[in-house]
Amino acid sequence: LAKTTQPISMDSYEGQEVNITCSHNNIATNDYITWYQQFPSQGPRFIIQGYKTKVTNEVASLFIPADRKSSTLSLPRVSLSDTAVYYCLVGGEYNDYKLSFGAGTTVTVRA
Amino acid sequence: GAVVSQHPSRVICKSGTSVKIECRSLDFQATTMFWYRQFPKQSLMLMATSNEGSKATYEQGVEKDKFLINHASLTLSTLTVTSAHPEDSSFYICSAPPAAGTETQYFGPGTRLLVL
Repeated sequence: LAKTTQPISMDSYEGQEVNITCSHNNIATNDYITWYQQFPSQGPRFIIQGYKTKVTNEVASLFIPADRKSSTLSLPRVSLSDTAVYYCLVGGEYNDYKLSFGAGTTVTVRA
Repeated sequence: GAVVSQHPSRVICKSGTSVKIECRSLDFQATTMFWYRQFPKQSLMLMATSNEGSKATYEQGVEKDKFLINHASLTLSTLTVTSAHPEDSSFYICSAPPAAGTETQYFGPGTRLLVL
């Protein structure tokens, strides 16, 4: 399983854009990049997934460079409710969906 | 998105007893489910892969005789913590990929286990 590295924590203020970069130097050709959000005492919630280039949905954008060795989750105009731990994972059907969670990034949004 | 449920959401038991946690896929069939454990302030740690119709596969260091997994149907996997001890107190989470050909998997809400 490819290992991922993210910043341990990030602080932001309401209304700002938050960008979290994840390194995955050993990503395999068939791996997808998926980001999850986790609140205390809850299971992780799917945010966004991509394979290459840019993906955007109603809550976030995911930027993936051509070499796919990193990815950046962008949360536009965060609110207090976006305070959570964000996990970057690589994998997919090719490796039987097994996921290896890193430490994640604790994002704290202040008023 | 696909929905995965867990029951119970929290359980308190005495040391030495066994506890069963259920994981259900509500709107899809899952031939594979995963069980994770998460201690306070830590990340999720994969414990085992639950396979419908065959034995579960356990990650290194996870005792298969202590954490019994049964994938009874295409929508249900159970994790039984046998002879629970206080060090087994943790947050247990299951997950499942919704369908072949998709790259995403969805997580249950988790079960908080406290062993006294």
